[in-house]
Amino acid sequence: AQKVTQAQTEISVVEKEDVTLDCVYETRDTTYYLFWYKQPPSGELVFLIRRNSFDEQNEISGRYSWNFQKSTSSFNFTITASQVVDSAVYFCALSDVKAAGNKLTFGGGTRVLVKP
Amino acid sequence: AAGVIQSPRHLIKEKRETATLKCYPIPRHDTVYWYQQGPGQDPQFLISFYEKMQSDKGSIPDRFSAQQFSDYHSELNMSSLELGDSALYFCASSLVGAEEAFFGQGTRLTVV
Repeated sequence: AQKVTQAQTEISVVEKEDVTLDCVYETRDTTYYLFWYKQPPSGELVFLIRRNSFDEQNEISGRYSWNFQKSTSSFNFTITASQVVDSAVYFCALSDVKAAGNKLTFGGGTRVLVKP
Repeated sequence: AAGVIQSPRHLIKEKRETATLKCYPIPRHDTVYWYQQGPGQDPQFLISFYEKMQSDKGSIPDRFSAQQFSDYHSELNMSSLELGDSALYFCASSLVGAEEAFFGQGTRLTVV
C-alpha cells in the first residue's frame, strides 16, 4: 500500500522567511509520480509540481524549489522569501501508476501561515 | 483553456436526502476521478472511470454510486446522506496513462 507522510501539521513564519515542507513516501512501485499541491482558503487544489521516480534532479521555479531524494524516499518543498499569499495548506501526493489511470494518495497536509 | 467543471459548487442537504454531483472533464479526457476531502483532512480517493467503465475503487461508501456517461461527464450519486458526508468533493480528469490529472474547483456539500 502507498503512504505519504507530512510530519509537520502547521508551520508559522514571518514574511520573507524561508519555509521547508517535509514529505516522506512509501511505495513498492518502481515507477511513480510525486506531486505538490497548494490549497488556499478558497478550497481549490492548485498544482505546483510533478516529479517522476526516475528524475531526481532538483528544481527551482521562482521562489519555489524541490528536493527529491529517492534514497530516503523524500520529496521536500521550500518556499524562499515567503509572502502572505503563500498562506495555505500544502499537500504532497503520490501517484499509483496503472494502465487505466493514476489515482493519488495524499499526505495529511501542512498548513503554512505567513504573518506580515 | 477549458478546465474541469463541477456543479454545483455548493450544496446543502438534510440528513437522509439524496445528492447528485456532476463533473465535466476537460475535452478529450477519458478518465475521471472522484475524491472526498473532509474538514481538516486530506483528499481521499473514492472511485475512477476510464471509457465509461469503473477503473479503480477506493473508500467509497455503499450509499454512494457513480458513473461516467457517453460524453465522458461523470455523476456521483449519494443517498441516505449523513452528517459525516459533509465535505469538499473533487473531480479530476486526465487522458489515460497521462502523468497528471487536473482538478476541478470542488463541490462543497453540507449535510444538516
